[in-house]
Amino acid sequence: SQKIEQNSEALNIQEGKTATLTCNYTNYSPAYLQWYRQDPGRGPVFLLLIRENEKEKRKERLKVTFDTTLKQSLFHITASQPADSATYLCALKGGYQKVTFGTGTKLQVIP
Amino acid sequence: ETGVTQSPTHLIKTRGQQVTLRCSSQSGHNTVSWYQQALGQGPQFIFQYYREEENGRGNFPPRFSGLQFPNYSSELNVNALELDDSALYLCASSSGGISGELFFGEGSRLTVL
Repeated sequence: SQKIEQNSEALNIQEGKTATLTCNYTNYSPAYLQWYRQDPGRGPVFLLLIRENEKEKRKERLKVTFDTTLKQSLFHITASQPADSATYLCALKGGYQKVTFGTGTKLQVIP
Repeated sequence: ETGVTQSPTHLIKTRGQQVTLRCSSQSGHNTVSWYQQALGQGPQFIFQYYREEENGRGNFPPRFSGLQFPNYSSELNVNALELDDSALYLCASSSGGISGELFFGEGSRLTVL
């Protein structure tokens, strides 16, 4: 069955450093990989997506890589700030199918 | 531009009761998806509606049902509530494009006692 794995343990990082979150998947050939941010008790907020034929995508302090051979995406936040503290969800989509989410990784940026 | 709105924000029901959750999609979006999110888990896909027709369903029993209206707003109905139905129910709208970015509401927190 399709499986999306994100680090279940929280990631603690010092302010100003680069946070790197990992998303691995199996039994899936997604056309698109998306990242969302979710704050406690709130709905997820779309951040960015990367297509299967793209290796890297950037948006301001965010960078996403997508390796379809390794079946892995890395999500980087450079110059991290306490306001970046949240849970980050990886999501996959193949064609016109549903969007499938991972369990999320909680990021804590320490001042 | 109006975002996705959901109601009610919180509700408490008892086992065996029925509940209806409502969602207004973002302006210009014709596709609505519903997700269930248990504490500490990622959102789980319930079903999706496109132009008033269900066009995808996750691994949820038939007591989870839905509707989409001509204005693209939507309802999620859950019958015969069980304790495990306690969760955050998220509605997301999208333009229906193939890349499928979802725009979520703030959710309805359901507690079943």
